[in-house]
Amino acid sequence: AQRVTQPEKLLSVFKGAPVELKCNYSYSGSPELFWYVQYSRQRLQLLLRHISRESIKGFTADLNKGETSFHLKKPFAQEEDSAMYYCACSGSARQLTFGSGTQLTVLP
Amino acid sequence: DVKVTQSSRYLVKRTGEKVFLECVQDMDHENMFWYRQDPGLGLRLIYFSYDVKMKEKGDIPEGYSVSREKKERFSLILESASTNQTSMYLCASSLDIPYEQYFGPGTRLTVT
Repeated sequence: AQRVTQPEKLLSVFKGAPVELKCNYSYSGSPELFWYVQYSRQRLQLLLRHISRESIKGFTADLNKGETSFHLKKPFAQEEDSAMYYCACSGSARQLTFGSGTQLTVLP
Repeated sequence: DVKVTQSSRYLVKRTGEKVFLECVQDMDHENMFWYRQDPGLGLRLIYFSYDVKMKEKGDIPEGYSVSREKKERFSLILESASTNQTSMYLCASSLDIPYEQYFGPGTRLTVT
């Protein structure tokens, strides 16, 4: 069964500092990896997916198959980045498996 | 814009009651999902459906059932609500797997 681990429940950084949200997955095949974000009082929405290889709101994520990781990074955090972030993995099953989430707070 | 709507934002029910949560999407998506969202546990899949009248169990189906009679509507049923089913329930839809899932605003259910 596929599994997604986000080791940090809470993460605080200062505005302008780099931020990295960690995600590790366990799946023996070739997974699809996603990052979803939920801002305060908003619905959960897709931030980015690895197959697109694009940067959204300054965030990037690289799939490292050797380390089975898909960490989310941004070089300069902004206060509006404060949100709950979920990593998700889609394997052979017709479903997404989500991690437990990381609450990011960007301090002024 | 894809719209996924859920019948209630907040719901309070008593232990033992039968509870219906409804979800409607307007983008003709094949796949629909029900999750519960709990602090520290993330999103856990309860059931999903990839076609009308089709359903598959997710990771935590116990105590729940679902119904999909029409493509746009996916209902979650708690046959006999219990206090441990107090949670935020999220519905989602997608065109295909593993494409983007679009989420509803959620229903916060409290069982007393």
